[in-house]
Amino acid sequence: ETGVTQSPTHLIKTRGQQVTLRCSSQSGHNTVSWYQQALGQGPQFIFQYYREEENGRGNFPPRFSGLQFPNYSSELNVNALELDDSALYLCASTLNQQTQYFGPGTRLLVL
Amino acid sequence: EDQVTQSPEALRLQEGESSSLNCSYTVSGLRGLFWYRQDPGKGPEFLFTLYSAGEEKEKERLKATLTKKESFLHITAPKPEDSATYLCAVQGGSSGSARQLTFGSGTQLTVLP
Repeated sequence: ETGVTQSPTHLIKTRGQQVTLRCSSQSGHNTVSWYQQALGQGPQFIFQYYREEENGRGNFPPRFSGLQFPNYSSELNVNALELDDSALYLCASTLNQQTQYFGPGTRLLVL
Repeated sequence: EDQVTQSPEALRLQEGESSSLNCSYTVSGLRGLFWYRQDPGKGPEFLFTLYSAGEEKEKERLKATLTKKESFLHITAPKPEDSATYLCAVQGGSSGSARQLTFGSGTQLTVLP
């Protein structure tokens, strides 16, 4: 049990729509990272927030954006959904950028 | 650019049949090498962190080792409950201030009773 929770667990959207995924980190964990995991692949880094500021981003377009809040929760927003955005979205929380502990993920299907 | 390659892609073992999973990596300034276990439809579960060549860590039937180019996850006398996908990831110095993980595609392990 990592203490990291994500909501919703599953989501179905249509192409062109917008989606918001949520993550609640362990209390005191000041760093949160988001990853996208396609079927049969390892997770790919989207971006990381440290003390409510974005401090790193992977090869994802600007329509992927995020927020981190003072209560250790965070959001991943994806605009103009595409079919290839269908994946498992994972958040991971960390204390001072040490070991990353993952939540259970949100499964997004774009039709 | 950091890269991680895991082999084999899939491995089937009989219960009690020991084996090893391989993780080869290239990284600019290794900050850490991580092993995770992932069950279907769930998030990765942290197993080990290794920081320098020669380091070893053990947990129950699992033992992780690290050299300058690869890491091995040894599984001794596996049980069916060890069936899962095992992911290897590196954290490199090229990521700047972000301590992002670069993952391999994983090894899907099936242990038959």
